[in-house]
Amino acid sequence: DIQMTQSPSSLSASVGDRVTITCQASQDISNYLNWYQQKPGKAPKLLIYDASNLETGVPSRFSGSGSGTDFTFTISSLQPEDIATYYCQQYDNLPLFGGGTKVEIK
Amino acid sequence: QVQLVQSGAEVKKPGASVKVSCKASGYTFTSYGISWVRQAPGQGLEWMGWISAYNGNTNYAQKLQGRVTMTTDTSTSTAYMELRSLRSDDTAVYYCARDRGRGNPAYFDYWGQGTLVTVSS
Repeated sequence: DIQMTQSPSSLSASVGDRVTITCQASQDISNYLNWYQQKPGKAPKLLIYDASNLETGVPSRFSGSGSGTDFTFTISSLQPEDIATYYCQQYDNLPLFGGGTKVEIK
Repeated sequence: QVQLVQSGAEVKKPGASVKVSCKASGYTFTSYGISWVRQAPGQGLEWMGWISAYNGNTNYAQKLQGRVTMTTDTSTSTAYMELRSLRSDDTAVYYCARDRGRGNPAYFDYWGQGTLVTVSS
């Protein structure tokens, strides 16, 4: 079975900082990797699909990269409204989410 | 606009079953699949399964095989998820989500508001 390792599990950064989250798959998943944002008490929101494609309407400060086993999600300039938990999700096999990264403001 | 509206919160006893509905609007229901995702209190997201609204094909998470059934009613654009033999660790918020996959689950672009299912004696 594919395992997804997402890190860090939490981070604290200042407004305007560049924030990076990584997701590592236990085997090659090509580019079948998506990223979601979830705010407390809300449903998740799709931000990035197929590793690097920005979902319509999502601000351009969000980006994704990678292929194979190693993937990166970046917020180029952290904003107060970006406080949330972020999840990666692979679908090379049946969908599986990473453990999540809670992003807080320092 | 695309909307997925789920049924209300449920409280069930261990061993019982629950059936959650998800009514879709704003798009052609049979052109997409529906995935179900759950989230236990304070925990991460867990994909439960997927159903094609086009032909009813399903894929279920291995750990739920035999306990979960997903169906659709194309006449009302509604998807259903039934979970049987409920246990306390099934307590979670259950989400339906429109799945953009072509023939298999892929990624989820619109989500329902979530349905809290509490399993307690």
